[in-house]
Amino acid sequence: DGGITQSPKYLFRKEGQNVTLSCEQNLNHDAMYWYRQDPGQGLRLIYYSQIVNDFQKGDIAEGYSVSREKKESFPLTVTSAQKNPTAFYLCASSPTRLAGYYNEQFFGPGTRLTVL
Amino acid sequence: GQQLNQSPQSMFIQEGEDVSMNCTSSSIFNTWLWYKQDPGEGPVLLIALYKAGELTSNGRLTAQFGTTRKDSFLNISASIPSDVGIYFCAGPRTGANNLFFGTGTRLTVIP
Repeated sequence: DGGITQSPKYLFRKEGQNVTLSCEQNLNHDAMYWYRQDPGQGLRLIYYSQIVNDFQKGDIAEGYSVSREKKESFPLTVTSAQKNPTAFYLCASSPTRLAGYYNEQFFGPGTRLTVL
Repeated sequence: GQQLNQSPQSMFIQEGEDVSMNCTSSSIFNTWLWYKQDPGEGPVLLIALYKAGELTSNGRLTAQFGTTRKDSFLNISASIPSDVGIYFCAGPRTGANNLFFGTGTRLTVIP
């Protein structure tokens, strides 16, 4: 089946440790995105990538890093510099934008990160 | 910067009732998207609107693109328990190929 997978579903880490969240898609989408969700704050964009080997910072990139070495994969690293890393992290992808339309973003099931 | 405000923030309704929620923007959007997020899952697109004044339905859901292009509305008729979740509006950021999301409306349906 085509879709976006995120693993693991739940992740626990000690404070001060870096952790990498996985996101894989087999939809052949060019663009991929990482969001952070906190209660009552909706979805906030961390990083996004339009094509392989290129990515841009979103609204809350500090303390995070990404890579886009393959079209299918867009891993997110939560570094020890992120002050409040405990949150629900969502990955999304979308196909190439068509003129005059905005292509929907397809979301993965999310990873809940808890830093102890 | 762009802001998307959704209201109400939360709703508690009886099964069978109709639901209305809205989203307002500080700037003009040329596309409005409505997503639903089930508890513990990623959001799923419900309806996309591309033209001012457009009214689009998806089953019991109906969404409208406001004529001012600064607002959008989502209605759910005859609510059922599986309508429970968070409903987000979203629109494309100016000059960028990504979305800006509202803060969401949390819907609870009481059987």
